[in-house]
Amino acid sequence: AQKVTQAQTEISVVEKEDVTLDCVYETRDTTYYLFWYKQPPSGELVFLIRRNSFDEQNEISGRYSWNFQKSTSSFNFTITASQVVDSAVYFCALSSPGGGADGLTFGKGTHLIIQP
Amino acid sequence: DAGITQSPRYKITETGRQVTLMCHQTWSHSYMFWYRQDLGHGLRLIYYSAAADITDKGEVPDGYVVSRSKTENFPLTLESATRSQTSVYFCASSDTGRTDTQYFGPGTRLTVL
Repeated sequence: AQKVTQAQTEISVVEKEDVTLDCVYETRDTTYYLFWYKQPPSGELVFLIRRNSFDEQNEISGRYSWNFQKSTSSFNFTITASQVVDSAVYFCALSSPGGGADGLTFGKGTHLIIQP
Repeated sequence: DAGITQSPRYKITETGRQVTLMCHQTWSHSYMFWYRQDLGHGLRLIYYSAAADITDKGEVPDGYVVSRSKTENFPLTLESATRSQTSVYFCASSDTGRTDTQYFGPGTRLTVL
């Protein structure tokens, strides 16, 4: 069975600080996909990134960056120079061909609070 | 471009009543999914559909029924609502299935009294 662990339930930082959200996953498949979603206070789920298991290059998009390390089964998400608008719950998710049902396996989420 | 919509956005019902949550997508995506979000559990898959007339169970299917007669619609029915089904329900769609990006609807907040 596959599993995603987001050990940080809640993180609170002051605006402009850098913050890293941890994601550790478990799967027996060699081919799999990892995702991050953002859920702002308004409640919708916003897609941020999709990464396949064969691409270990780090990804940067503006203030957001992702560090994928197969050796430690981690796919961490860093926000640089955080802003109040970054306050949200962030979910890491996993999908693999051998993962049973066709849906995503989600972590329980990290609630990020950016204080002004 | 409407994308993916859900209705109603909020629903209050009573134990034992039948409730149907609607999901509609305009992308012609093959796959559609239903998840429920509960505190402490994250999002869990209820049912999914790979195409019209093809549906399958997810992690927590008990008490739910789905159908998909048209590609764009994927209703979720609670045949006899229970308090444990109080939750936020999200519908999602993707073009090619489990490895493709899923795009989510705005959610339906259901309260069962």
